[in-house]
Amino acid sequence: NAGVTQTPKFQVLKTGQSMTLQCAQDMNHEYMSWYRQDPGMGLRLIHYSVGAGITDQGEVPNGYNVSRSTTEDFPLRLLSAAPSQTSVYFCASSPTGGTWQPQHFGDGTRLSIL
Amino acid sequence: GESVGLHLPTLSVQEGDNSIINCAYSNSASDYFIWYKQESGKGPQFIIDIRSNMDKRQGQRVTVLLNKTVKHLSLQIAATQPGDSAVYFCAENSGGSNYKLTFGKGTLLTVNP
Repeated sequence: NAGVTQTPKFQVLKTGQSMTLQCAQDMNHEYMSWYRQDPGMGLRLIHYSVGAGITDQGEVPNGYNVSRSTTEDFPLRLLSAAPSQTSVYFCASSPTGGTWQPQHFGDGTRLSIL
Repeated sequence: GESVGLHLPTLSVQEGDNSIINCAYSNSASDYFIWYKQESGKGPQFIIDIRSNMDKRQGQRVTVLLNKTVKHLSLQIAATQPGDSAVYFCAENSGGSNYKLTFGKGTLLTVNP
């Protein structure tokens, strides 16, 4: 049982490049989410999904796309990277919404946009 | 502005002392709160949670207190150890479910041997 796995751990991109951050969980959790963490700030919700085929926007969705074709995977796509997207990205999962259980986080992807 | 905030951005304690980390929240409709610990280079790690129908909840060496009257949350760590050094975040549900969390900015706890 690996929990929440994020790849890659580090990435450097040039402005305008595209990239997909991968997130996988093996706990059969229905809910998955993406956050970004910037220096001196808490985590901010980008997108979330309450189950396969269902996604919705969080607090800071602009510049990011997501899809949820399986329960296990929830990739985050940057279509045209911008320096403002330099951040640490965390993926999280939890059992079905409506039951009060904490989200479990991966160890993050550190992304730099030049 | 931030829905969840912290009174102290940094806290330095001696090994063996008790630590108290505070958090204020502004959404009176929130009914689920979580404390996370984040070590350098790692993702947030769940410590303890509490529902709004409770005032206090205890775990192993940790206690969370919830005061709904003043919208205040605190995390108490007993007999603080060097391994407790980390950034601690409080989070509240912001969408009526456990999957839309609003996080505070975090408190850096440093434990001196």
